[in-house]
Amino acid sequence: AQTVTQSQPEMSVQEAETVTLSCTYDTSENNYYLFWYKQPPSRQMILVIRQEAYKQQNATENRFSVNFQKAAKSFSLKISDSQLGDTAMYFCASGYGNKLVFGAGTILRVKS
Amino acid sequence: DGGITQSPKYLFRKEGQNVTLSCEQNLNHDAMYWYRQDPGQGLRLIYYSQIVNDFQKGDIAEGYSVSREKKESFPLTVTSAQKNPTAFYLCASSPRTSGRETQYFGPGTRLLVL
Repeated sequence: AQTVTQSQPEMSVQEAETVTLSCTYDTSENNYYLFWYKQPPSRQMILVIRQEAYKQQNATENRFSVNFQKAAKSFSLKISDSQLGDTAMYFCASGYGNKLVFGAGTILRVKS
Repeated sequence: DGGITQSPKYLFRKEGQNVTLSCEQNLNHDAMYWYRQDPGQGLRLIYYSQIVNDFQKGDIAEGYSVSREKKESFPLTVTSAQKNPTAFYLCASSPRTSGRETQYFGPGTRLLVL
């Protein structure tokens, strides 16, 4: 079975600083996709970033970037220049077959 | 604007009652999904549908039922057999049923038991 582990239940960061959220996954697939979703207090799930496993280049979306270590099955999310609006629950997910498997989430609080 | 709508935002269920959560999308997506979100457990897949008149059980289908009579609609019924229904329910859609596809989510329905 596919599993996704987020080892940090909660994190906090000062505004304008950088924070990294950890994610590890377990898969026997060769071709798969990885995702980070954000769920702000409104509870609306929003895609942050998507990574194709066969691409070695790490995905980047503005202030959000990933560190994808395929051999280690690690997919961490780095948020640069943190903003108050980044306060949210962040979910890592692994896509395989017809499904996404989600981690338990990390609550990130950005402090002013 | 294209998107996914869920209704109601809050729903209350009495003992022994079936309740139905609505999910509609106008993104012209083939695939639709229902997830349950509990604190500390992330999202768990209840049911998904690849195409009209077809649906498959997810990881926690017991006590739930779905239908897919129209491409844009995928209602979820929480039956009386679901003994712990209190949770946040999210509907999602994607162009196709594939782990490669980005899933787009609705705003969710909060179900509470009276």
